Amino acid sequence: DAGVTQSPTHLIKTRGQQVTLRCSPKSGHDTVSWYQQALGQGPQFIFQYYEEEERQRGNFPDRFSGHQFPNYSSELNVNALLLGDSALYLCASSPQRRSGYGYTFGSGTRLTVV
Amino acid sequence: GESVGLHLPTLSVQEGDNSIINCAYSNSASDYFIWYKQESGKGPQFIIDIRSNMDKRQGQRVTVLLNKTVKHLSLQIAATQPGDSAVYFCAEISTGYSTLTFGKGTMLLVSP
Repeated sequence: DAGVTQSPTHLIKTRGQQVTLRCSPKSGHDTVSWYQQALGQGPQFIFQYYEEEERQRGNFPDRFSGHQFPNYSSELNVNALLLGDSALYLCASSPQRRSGYGYTFGSGTRLTVV
Repeated sequence: GESVGLHLPTLSVQEGDNSIINCAYSNSASDYFIWYKQESGKGPQFIIDIRSNMDKRQGQRVTVLLNKTVKHLSLQIAATQPGDSAVYFCAEISTGYSTLTFGKGTMLLVSP
């Protein structure tokens, strides 16, 4: 049973560019959450998707947007990249009916903005 | 992989020792708490959880203690092994939400 898969694993972008990160949830999970983890910090909540809609959002600017597809997979888009967006981006999936339980994290995408 | 542990508090122990990692949480309304282990280059991995109506829960070699009065969590690891070396985070969830709020993290280094 595959867990949460994220792609790509590493990415280097130039300041001002746009980036799209992808996540496939664990089988049986329908809720996807995205987190940003700066070096030496704990993950910070970006937003959560369920039934193809953004359900909750953390304290991130509108440059961060997302999407969930009918097969529950999700994308995170970041526009107008800043140097400070360099971080590990984690996707976590969970079964919505057990809200807060059963979180499974992917290994993340390491984004470097130069 | 690149370390997630830069600038984090560090606990160094010898193999076979018991380890205690502490965490102060922020929201008195939180009703569910989780400890995660994160190895270099990987995402957080679930270790053990506890609900706010409990003050202790035991797993295999791990115990979580919850003190709601002072908003404090601890993770006890018995007979620590080199494979336990990682960064450990506590996370909390508040009633009615399903998003995790993470603490600052502690790096555990286990020497053979």
